[in-house]
Amino acid sequence: GAGVSQSPRYKVAKRGQDVALRCDPISGHVSLFWYQQALGQGPEFLTYFQNEAQLDKSGLPSDRFFAERPEGSVSTLKIQRTQQEDSAVYLCASSLGGTLGGYGYTFGSGTRLTVV
Amino acid sequence: AQKITQTQPGMFVQEKEAVTLDCTYDTSDPSYGLFWYKQPSSGEMIFLIYQGSYDQQNATEGRYSLNFQKARKSANLVISASQLGDSAMYFCAMREGDDYKLSFGAGTTVTVRA
Repeated sequence: GAGVSQSPRYKVAKRGQDVALRCDPISGHVSLFWYQQALGQGPEFLTYFQNEAQLDKSGLPSDRFFAERPEGSVSTLKIQRTQQEDSAVYLCASSLGGTLGGYGYTFGSGTRLTVV
Repeated sequence: AQKITQTQPGMFVQEKEAVTLDCTYDTSDPSYGLFWYKQPSSGEMIFLIYQGSYDQQNATEGRYSLNFQKARKSANLVISASQLGDSAMYFCAMREGDDYKLSFGAGTTVTVRA
């Protein structure tokens, strides 16, 4: 597609429920990033993929968070046993370059997760 | 320590006037990049402008210009001739050295009044 597509746009989960958030990057983009944006805050880095390899997961807040990109294109961010503090917008971004960060990022519109 | 500081939580500007959004940064790496993004209510982060640490001139992109003061570690965004469609949240961000991720500030909400 022309841009980065994320689904669902909105997700309401009951506390303790597992959720899966999908990101469909721009075709051919090597790099894929997940960011978490709490209400009224700037995005915080979660994890980075180069093709199918997850090169950095240092930003994942706990072992309940898991991300994958098995074929080097679509990525899924999974959150197990959701907690209220997981409520945030989850943004996906992709870029053409390998380790070129920032310049050339294209962001999706995000998934707004609300845990009740 | 915060890498990016945006001290203005919200600003109002009259249509057709200019507005300056403040951003200061903290890094010890001589090579870095500074970015401004716009986030409208739809949620998408829209890239506006980029300034590299070694760039000699201030970056400009249409109505957007970046006032880069390296010694003061500031990278303020100037939006000229504000339009109603400029109402959004604006984020300053930095990439350091060979790192691939961005560090974002807390953002500034801009509201343009007719």
